[in-house]
Amino acid sequence: GQQVMQIPQYQHVQEGEDFTTYCNSSTTLSNIQWYKQRPGGHPVFLIQLVKSGEVKKQKRLTFQFGEAKKNSSLHITATQTTDVGTYFCAGPGTGTYKYIFGTGTRLKVLA
Amino acid sequence: EPEVTQTPSHQVTQMGQEVILRCVPISNHLYFYWYRQILGQKVEFLVSFYNNEISEKSEIFDDQFSVERPDGSNFTLKIRSTKLEDSAMYFCASSGRVIDNEQFFGPGTRLTVL
Repeated sequence: GQQVMQIPQYQHVQEGEDFTTYCNSSTTLSNIQWYKQRPGGHPVFLIQLVKSGEVKKQKRLTFQFGEAKKNSSLHITATQTTDVGTYFCAGPGTGTYKYIFGTGTRLKVLA
Repeated sequence: EPEVTQTPSHQVTQMGQEVILRCVPISNHLYFYWYRQILGQKVEFLVSFYNNEISEKSEIFDDQFSVERPDGSNFTLKIRSTKLEDSAMYFCASSGRVIDNEQFFGPGTRLTVL
């Protein structure tokens, strides 16, 4: 079945360092979403990318959708302790009404 | 700001018992979802619901599971005969449109099956 993998699984960074998580789908995606889940919390929507090669920025966060629409990345510049959490990408499943979440990247930021 | 609510926050049950997890989606949303997350693992899709019927379900969503929107506001997930491996966090989500839209997640119900 369709799979969405993310690397790395874990990342520990010093506060102020940059962080990147990569998302790869086994199938072409019509769009990709990114969510953040704080420890003990629920997923919170960050952004959606739709176009091939699309790049979007939200303050220190930069999101990219690959040209083939099978991969995506999230880059955080100068991490802060508030960035701690697990970042998930999610893409539509083969049907219309479901999203497949990636395996997630857990980010820890050391002050 | 509107939000998705879920009750209870924590449910403990004995294996073989039935549980009903409740969700109140955002009022003008049309698409509803249940996901589960086993501790420390990824978020897994269970089922989507639109226009008072199941739109799609995963292989996890077997005959032991059912969903209902009984009164136009609540959205429930029933597990008929719980198993130990059903222990997880269950998240309800809703969205205004399908596909090109964000899903708003509730705070979750932690289900513990003993």
